[in-house]
Amino acid sequence: DAKTTQPTSMDCAEGRAANLPCNHSTISGNEYVYWYRQIHSQGPQYIIHGLKNNETNEMASLIITEDRKSSTLILPHATLRDTAVYYCIVRVARDNYGQNFVFGPGTRLSVLP
Amino acid sequence: KAGVTQTPRYLIKTRGQQVTLSCSPISGHRSVSWYQQTPGQGLQFLFEYFSETQRNKGNFPGRFSGRQFSNSRSEMNVSTLELGDSALYLCASRPDRGPTGELFFGEGSRLTVL
Repeated sequence: DAKTTQPTSMDCAEGRAANLPCNHSTISGNEYVYWYRQIHSQGPQYIIHGLKNNETNEMASLIITEDRKSSTLILPHATLRDTAVYYCIVRVARDNYGQNFVFGPGTRLSVLP
Repeated sequence: KAGVTQTPRYLIKTRGQQVTLSCSPISGHRSVSWYQQTPGQGLQFLFEYFSETQRNKGNFPGRFSGRQFSNSRSEMNVSTLELGDSALYLCASRPDRGPTGELFFGEGSRLTVL
């Protein structure tokens, strides 16, 4: 699976949009971009995923560049409860060989009051 | 729909003992993965089971083992515990349908080895 690069930490003011970048310059054509977050001492939580097009759900938006070498997770109105470590992962879609998700160190987002 | 359930949530063991952790996946999910999380190494993949068969295994010693039952519930076992095995052990399940199979995690079992 392709490796990803994320900033170690970021701050965001409460109520503002949080934009979390991720570089995945070696991504393959059949690899998806997934985002998870982990609030302290809890299991990681799935946020969103995408292949080529931008995606939006009730939690966030995912913007993928045209060359697919980078992406940005957008939390439109960050709240204190969004303080967490955010993981960007790239991997192929489902396969029959159980490829695992590879979690890097992620970005520690702190939402400040 | 109930989420992924892990038991016990917390446990303390001493070096040399063994431990068994349990995971009940989301109903209908047949794939179960296990991860170890430590402050120094982050989230590391242990193994994945599907329909009672281990499909993939991470780079952990043989002291770490697992199994899956016909109802998709899974257990992992760590024998001859070492201090370095202190960690949060996370279980995740994923749906069979759909192409991308995102993971759904439990709250984890926090193991402390003294």
